[in-house]
Amino acid sequence: AQSVTQLGSHVSVSEGALVLLRCNYSSSVPPYLFWYVQYPNQGLQLLLKYTTGATLVKGINGFEAEFKKSETSFHLTKPSAHMSDAAEYFCAVSAGGTSYGKLTFGQGTILTVHP
Amino acid sequence: NAGVTQTPKFQVLKTGQSMTLQCAQDMNHEYMSWYRQDPGMGLRLIHYSVGAGITDQGEVPNGYNVSRSTTEDFPLRLLSAAPSQTSVYFCASSHFMNTEAFFGQGTRLTVV
Repeated sequence: AQSVTQLGSHVSVSEGALVLLRCNYSSSVPPYLFWYVQYPNQGLQLLLKYTTGATLVKGINGFEAEFKKSETSFHLTKPSAHMSDAAEYFCAVSAGGTSYGKLTFGQGTILTVHP
Repeated sequence: NAGVTQTPKFQVLKTGQSMTLQCAQDMNHEYMSWYRQDPGMGLRLIHYSVGAGITDQGEVPNGYNVSRSTTEDFPLRLLSAAPSQTSVYFCASSHFMNTEAFFGQGTRLTVV
């Protein structure tokens, strides 16, 4: 069984400040981890993913995340927030194998960026 | 390349009515799934399919039926709509060899 916990349902930052969105997971098998972004009234778009290999993964729009197995975490960061980053962000886990695409999502974190 | 297409985008139903949410993908993906999104609960898996003729239940399957007669299409049927089914529904597809799931734009359903 898998689960995902996103710490903080709302995060507010100033433009230019560091963005840190927290995600912890549990999985009985090596996980595949994802961050998706959802803009208002739209579907989900993949930001980045970790499957195997390098634990620091870079995604689109300047975001990156680090897989830390010992901490069961996959936090999302961006050095400098932009107004266009305002959206809802979802962390998700998949067990891989025949579970490809069978995602378990966290509750979501709404990111607000202030001028 | 259209990706994942969902119709309709909006729908209002009366309690007890039935309807089908359509989902089609043109990427030849084996895997398709339906999620519902509710505030503060993220997305929850309703049903999924690993290929034509094969479907299985997800986390919240009650009140919904699916079938997969072709690789491209994966409709979701509400048998007798209830207010608790008011939600935003997303269809997604992925290829077994590529773990990224591609999502449609969603269907916003209101049951009154």
